[in-house]
Amino acid sequence: DTAVSQTPKYLVTQMGNDKSIKCEQNLGHDTMYWYKQDSKKFLKIMFSYNNKELIINETVPNRFSPKSPDKAHLNLHINSLELGDSAVYFCASSQVGTQYFGPGTRLTVL
Amino acid sequence: LAKTTQPISMDSYEGQEVNITCSHNNIATNDYITWYQQFPSQGPRFIIQGYKTKVTNEVASLFIPADRKSSTLSLPRVSLSDTAVYYCLVGDTLNAGNNRKLIWGLGTSLAVNP
Repeated sequence: DTAVSQTPKYLVTQMGNDKSIKCEQNLGHDTMYWYKQDSKKFLKIMFSYNNKELIINETVPNRFSPKSPDKAHLNLHINSLELGDSAVYFCASSQVGTQYFGPGTRLTVL
Repeated sequence: LAKTTQPISMDSYEGQEVNITCSHNNIATNDYITWYQQFPSQGPRFIIQGYKTKVTNEVASLFIPADRKSSTLSLPRVSLSDTAVYYCLVGDTLNAGNNRKLIWGLGTSLAVNP
């Protein structure tokens, strides 16, 4: 069973479009995260939710909006995509301590 | 602002011990130190976590001096499959509270050669 899953795995889109990435975890964890990893492999935390409540909101353009319909899901919606949004986006979850990461979604904005 | 610093890259050979050090001068009292490993096209994977002194598990050891301003991940007898990027994370990872700061290092790319 996949612990943390993301869809889609690859996403290619045009500038200006709106897209969503979905994340689900079946570990029963209370906390979920979204990370952005650029081509230089820098891991940047974007958001964190605990029990559906936003607890970390780093300096991220407001074109990015996370949504947590329930504890097991944290989706990321991106409006008006820009070239600089191209990256790999990772979802993760944790209970205490260890974070479990999804396989990543490679977003390419053309 | 808290910051973690680690070497950008390291080279080693099979069978050697590899030590990767992370500096975190402004570590807070409640912060833990966690190391993750990432292979290409995969998400990071937990290796080890500690608060002080030494922690050892089946894959690595983590050494943390008394002042906790740095930590060293030790990989014994590396193999080719240990080639990966290793990240240091500092933060209050045990408490999912408000505005918890998680500070990731920029990653150390370890290349293990035959």
